[in-house]
Amino acid sequence: NAGVTQTPKFRVLKTGQSMTLLCAQDMNHEYMYWYRQDPGMGLRLIHYSVGEGTTAKGEVPDGYNVSRLKKQNFLLGLESAAPSQTSVYFCASGGPNNEQFFGPGTRLTVL
Amino acid sequence: LAKTTQPISMDSYEGQEVNITCSHNNIATNDYITWYQQFPSQGPRFIIQGYKTKVTNEVASLFIPADRKSSTLSLPRVSLSDTAVYYCLVGDMANTGFQKLVFGTGTRLLVSP
Repeated sequence: NAGVTQTPKFRVLKTGQSMTLLCAQDMNHEYMYWYRQDPGMGLRLIHYSVGEGTTAKGEVPDGYNVSRLKKQNFLLGLESAAPSQTSVYFCASGGPNNEQFFGPGTRLTVL
Repeated sequence: LAKTTQPISMDSYEGQEVNITCSHNNIATNDYITWYQQFPSQGPRFIIQGYKTKVTNEVASLFIPADRKSSTLSLPRVSLSDTAVYYCLVGDMANTGFQKLVFGTGTRLLVSP
């Protein structure tokens, strides 16, 4: 039981490049979330999903897109990366008992 | 979503009890109070959740007064490994269990020998 895993762990992009972050969970959770965390700050919700095939915007959705084609996977895409998107990205999943389980994070730098 | 206010940092020594208080004056009827712990370079980890009165688990206790406008996370006999950032969050738990969490800047706890 791996919990929540994220791929990749680190990535460096140039401005304008695109990439996809993959989140996978093996706990059969309905709800999945993408957050970003900037240095010294709390986490901010980017997008979330309440079930397979559904997505919704969170607090800071601009510049990101998501997809939930399979229940266990939640993808976060950056179509045209900007330096302001330099951050640590955390994925989380949550079940009916309201506890969210977080992945180890992806450290993204946009030059 | 209710806003929370908690101290930026706290210092303690090993073996002491630590109490971190969080203010949430605008908490709504359906809101639950949840605390997470985050170590450097790791994702947050759920500690405890409650709605009112007192909740206790194997790692912490959560005290919530009757008006629910504040809550206190109590960590008994802290050790060096409890050095982390602690987040107090308030979220709507109505019906589905889905929760949009709003993280503040948290409380940075430093435990010294």
